Amino acid sequence: EAQVTQNPRYLITVTGKKLTVTCSQNMNHEYMSWYRQDPGLGLRQIYYSMNVEVTDKGDVPEGYKVSRKEKRNFPLILESPSPNQTSLYFCASSPASDRSYNEQFFGPGTRLTVL
Amino acid sequence: AQSVAQPEDQVNVAEGNPLTVKCTYSVSGNPYLFWYVQYPNRGLQFLLKYITGDNLVKGSYGFEAEFNKSQTSFHLKKPSALVSDSALYFCAVRPPPLYGNKLVFGAGTILRVKS
Repeated sequence: EAQVTQNPRYLITVTGKKLTVTCSQNMNHEYMSWYRQDPGLGLRQIYYSMNVEVTDKGDVPEGYKVSRKEKRNFPLILESPSPNQTSLYFCASSPASDRSYNEQFFGPGTRLTVL
Repeated sequence: AQSVAQPEDQVNVAEGNPLTVKCTYSVSGNPYLFWYVQYPNRGLQFLLKYITGDNLVKGSYGFEAEFNKSQTSFHLKKPSALVSDSALYFCAVRPPPLYGNKLVFGAGTILRVKS
């Protein structure tokens, strides 16, 4: 089944404890992206990747890191999480990054709470 | 900078009645426009998109949307609402590649369909 998977789905952690949220897609998509969803703000893009080893900042990159060593994986790293990073996070992918009209496929989401 | 506005936080409609969820946008060049739906505790699902051509586009689950360039709008419509249509709806815009690679979402509109 074609899908985007994220792990973990739920995570409660404490301020300053490094964490990684994994994202994997099995559709051979070039483009991958991370978003955070907060009430009243919709989805805001954190980072995106046009292809392997190519990443770029979205609208809210502060406090986050990403890497794209393989086409299928795009982990989101929080080196020192803070309470304002408590949010619902979505990973997404789409084919052929040079075709802006492709729709994105979303993972199920990761609900992160930072105490 | 591109932006999307969904002026209604919530839309209430009776089952069987037509529904409209509004979206207006601001973007450089000719935009690519999308509608996504999010059911409770789920990721976003693609509904439909406008790339070029016919201003009325049809999508999944009987939804359609009308692109209006002069009013910079892309309203989502359905002739007869179902209770199962109740969800959170997001409008999104992406500019042509010349103007960037970001997909920008609106804040979302909750649709409640009552029986």
